Order: sequence, then structure tokens, then C-alpha cells
Amino acid sequence: DTGVSQDPRHKITKRGQNVTFRCDPISEHNRLYWYRQTLGQGPEFLTYFQNEAQLEKSRLLSDRFSAERPKGSFSTLEIQRTEQGDSAMYLCASSLRTGRSDTQYFGPGTRLTVL
Amino acid sequence: GESVGLHLPTLSVQEGDNSIINCAYSNSASDYFIWYKQESGKGPQFIIDIRSNMDKRQGQRVTVLLNKTVKHLSLQIAATQPGDSAVYFCAEYPGDMLTFGGGTRLMVKP
Repeated sequence: DTGVSQDPRHKITKRGQNVTFRCDPISEHNRLYWYRQTLGQGPEFLTYFQNEAQLEKSRLLSDRFSAERPKGSFSTLEIQRTEQGDSAMYLCASSLRTGRSDTQYFGPGTRLTVL
Repeated sequence: GESVGLHLPTLSVQEGDNSIINCAYSNSASDYFIWYKQESGKGPQFIIDIRSNMDKRQGQRVTVLLNKTVKHLSLQIAATQPGDSAVYFCAEYPGDMLTFGGGTRLMVKP
């Protein structure tokens, strides 16, 4: 499978715990995006990387959230001291930005439930 | 599986009929648009895209129409099949990030 993969697919945690999600983009894609999606809504942008550089962060990304893409390949999204409001689907997407083309392909998502 | 979009607008069509899903976008500077399909418990799947220098683009059984004057996109699905049942999102690209509109749930009746 050469698509975007995410791990784990589901995570249940207790409030106050830390969680980390992983995303493996499509090989050779230079951009990697993280989104959050709640029921009934479209995905909301959180942050993105071009290669290993984190270029933009949404105001939705509080200080408890941190993302890395250390070698410009896979990325991790960590949420510290989780809150019930963090319960959502966390989606990763990747793209090969060339000129003005930036078609993003999504992974299956990680469903986070905070009890 | 888990459902996406419990309170979304819903379009119900008969199998074999054509479907038209509409979307209003917000940013007149957007120059690239994408339609995504999202099935329950899955991530959004790319369907078709269009650039602002075009007003129509066709794919396999799908057509996207763009009306920049009124900032409106539509997705037409020909001969709708049960497998087309999903939530459909349009997304606009004014610069460096995609902005998604509210979705529409398509239900196909056999």
C-alpha cells in the first residue's frame, strides 16, 4: 500500500494523559499536513511541514500540541495533558508541492477518545 | 463503523439517477478547488480537482463545475451507485492550506 498511513487507528485515553500519533506520508511527498475533524464538520487545519520544516500552525494548535517531522519523512503529533475536548479524528495528509499544484491525499485518521 | 456528519445536509437519490452536490466557497482569491469523498470511519478520498482558469472538468462519472462569479462549485455524479454513498466535502485553496466547506451526505436508495 503506497498511500498515507496513520497509527494507531483508534486511541482511548484518560484525561490528563499524553498521547502520540504517527503519520507516514506517501513516499517522496514533500508536504505533510495535520488536521482535526469532529463529527459533522470538515477537517480543520492544524499544522503543516515542508520537508522537515514546520511552516505554519493554526491557532487551534494549543501549547499542549506539538508536531515533528525530524527527517522529512514520517511525522508525529503529540498531545500533552489531554482534555475531553481533544476527542476527535486526527487526519494526516501529504502532497507533492510543485508550482501551484498541491493535491493533498489523506490517511485513514486516528480516532482519539478522551474519557 | 462510525458515522461522519450526523447533522449534515442530506441528498437522497435513487440508484442510477444523477446526483448534484453544491458548495459555496468563501475566498475570491482561491484558485484551486478539490472535491473529497469521505466514507464512515475513513479519511477523505480525492475525487476531482479544478483550477480557477477552468469552469468545467470531467472525470470518470464525475464532473465539477466552477462559477467564480457567484463563488459556487458543484459536483455531478452520473448514474449514482450504492458505493457513492458517503459525505462529500469541497475544499478551496487560496494559498498554503486547504479550507473545507461543510459536507453533504449522499444517500443512494436501491
